[in-house]
Amino acid sequence: EAEVAQSPRYKITEKSQAVAFWCDPISGHATLYWYRQILGQGPELLVQFQDESVVDDSQLPKDRFSAERLKGVDSTLKIQPAELGDSAMYLCASSLAIERRNTEAFFGQGTRLTVV
Amino acid sequence: GDSVTQMEGPVTLSEEAFLTINCTYTATGYPSLFWYVQYPGEGLQLLLKATKADDKGSNKGFEATYRKETTSFHLEKGSVQVSDSAVYFCALNTGNQFYFGTGTSLTVIP
Repeated sequence: EAEVAQSPRYKITEKSQAVAFWCDPISGHATLYWYRQILGQGPELLVQFQDESVVDDSQLPKDRFSAERLKGVDSTLKIQPAELGDSAMYLCASSLAIERRNTEAFFGQGTRLTVV
Repeated sequence: GDSVTQMEGPVTLSEEAFLTINCTYTATGYPSLFWYVQYPGEGLQLLLKATKADDKGSNKGFEATYRKETTSFHLEKGSVQVSDSAVYFCALNTGNQFYFGTGTSLTVIP
């Protein structure tokens, strides 16, 4: 069964350091999402791509976060510099084109980031 | 704006008890509705979905019916098991974005 791949699973970094997460969506999925999930809360959308284009990054803290999906396939989310408040689970998901309202999002296992 | 409101948790039930987790939504148009489940340290997994009014989604003994008149999509299971202990998220797809509820933690005790 096709899966969304994320790496690393766990990351511990010191504050002010740079950190990057990688995501490989399910083949053929045009839409890719990065979510942040704080313990005890629901996923919060950071950025949404349609192919290689950003369609929504309104909640992405652009002073420190960046995301790219250069060839419209895999994607990288970067934080520089990391702050203590960035400690969270970072989830990548993909779906068929979002305009297809009946499509579901498929999630990776996430990256648990701890900033110390 | 579009949103999902879920029943606050945590919920603790004895094995074989009946489960209901309430979910209501606000959306323009005709969204699709979903229930996802998340086990500790894992990503979200799709549990069931319904794409139009009066549709019933079902999987692994869980059911939810898309009620447009009450804008609800309540999750039910007739007899819960210890293995159902997890966090459950209600979600909707508006055709532009997914919206997730805050999650309801369920613990089932033997």
